[in-house]
Amino acid sequence: DTEVTQTPKHLVMGMTNKKSLKCEQHMGHRAMYWYKQKAKKPPELMFVYSYEKLSINESVPSRFSPECPNSSLLNLHLHALQPEDSALYLCASSPGSNTEAFFGQGTRLTVV
Amino acid sequence: SQQGEEDPQALSIQEGENATMNCSYKTSINNLQWYRQNSGRGLVHLILIRSNEREKHSGRLRVTLDTSKKSSSLLITASRAADTASYFCATGRTGNQFYFGTGTSLTVIP
Repeated sequence: DTEVTQTPKHLVMGMTNKKSLKCEQHMGHRAMYWYKQKAKKPPELMFVYSYEKLSINESVPSRFSPECPNSSLLNLHLHALQPEDSALYLCASSPGSNTEAFFGQGTRLTVV
Repeated sequence: SQQGEEDPQALSIQEGENATMNCSYKTSINNLQWYRQNSGRGLVHLILIRSNEREKHSGRLRVTLDTSKKSSSLLITASRAADTASYFCATGRTGNQFYFGTGTSLTVIP
């Protein structure tokens, strides 16, 4: 299984809602990532988990809260988002440093 | 910004021609990777070149890396319509993180 699975594929949420994005991989990868991508822009790194511990937080606002419950699963909890947070949220995993990453198909988030 | 810069921003070629994209970056790296993205969905890894390597090939892809100039290039030979996509370089640092360049939009005309 060489897939990274993200759910849901699409999400529309209001600014007062709480929602979660889910990412799963069964490749035994020890590093997992969240990226945010706006239209016609490159992906921007948000968080990196290494061995289930948060190792990088790229100064992301606290309304985005990551969680890594186990080595296969990565969540991104969303609360009180703004319309400008509407974007494609991409999850990725890699075996470790200096290796390629595998990306999921993303969750397209719209905040209304 | 952690981003690399890519040029050109957009490239349009005829099927069968070669396409060359360039990536420049500012910090020291462990590796440089190239990814392809179709229609704003998931990214697909194409090739990784480590900082102690100068050139790498994979099928119709050829990547070069010049760490003294902090630059890399991706050459796609004998392009096909299916190669139409956005291409991003990504600089790999210590601690597992990697940062994407600004991207090149490639259109291959049949």
